[in-house]
Amino acid sequence: DQQVKQNSPSLSVQEGRISILNCDYTNSMFDYFLWYKKYPAEGPTFLISISSIKDKNEDGRFTVFLNKSAKHLSLHIVPSQPGDSAVYFCAASAMGSGGSNYKLTFGKGTLLTVNP
Amino acid sequence: KAGVTQTPRYLIKTRGQQVTLSCSPISGHRSVSWYQQTPGQGLQFLFEYFSETQRNKGNFPGRFSGRQFSNSRSEMNVSTLELGDSALYLCASSSTSALYNEQFFGPGTRLTVL
Repeated sequence: DQQVKQNSPSLSVQEGRISILNCDYTNSMFDYFLWYKKYPAEGPTFLISISSIKDKNEDGRFTVFLNKSAKHLSLHIVPSQPGDSAVYFCAASAMGSGGSNYKLTFGKGTLLTVNP
Repeated sequence: KAGVTQTPRYLIKTRGQQVTLSCSPISGHRSVSWYQQTPGQGLQFLFEYFSETQRNKGNFPGRFSGRQFSNSRSEMNVSTLELGDSALYLCASSSTSALYNEQFFGPGTRLTVL
């Protein structure tokens, strides 16, 4: 049972335009969400996160939106740059016994290609 | 500050063998988590260690085990390797000074089982 879903395996956008990556989750216990970027042959790199008490978090060109009622979050990249081309993973965690916010549940990723 | 390091970067083993992977977290980070990445399943949580104790465990068979040392370095062991264990094994470390902590990943160890 996949608790975090990224339904688009790939996305292609033009340089300068907006990239929107989507993520859905099913576990209502998730209360912290993160986005990671991964280049080939490297580990995932943390991008941005959001706690369930917020509905938006912004960091430079990256904004994450959270819609708790729809169990949906999205990552907006504006403007998109060719260097943003990578696989983007959505991840979620839930507080529980033993501080289980350290257990991340990942989606399967979306390959973003930004064309010059 | 040095990042998370993992050794070795690449490993080739045959079915039935066992393997040990090593992870050194960012200095000061006491939580170390391990993930398996495969094309079909994505990134899946294996286990997390804090202060030499396993705090969280994912849904993997007992062939997968780990430990953490007093300096926070961690090792992961897989016994009786199967072809399906071929994957990228990622280690991540976290600081414990805040309620929510982003995990910082190493480059991974690519394990191929023949």
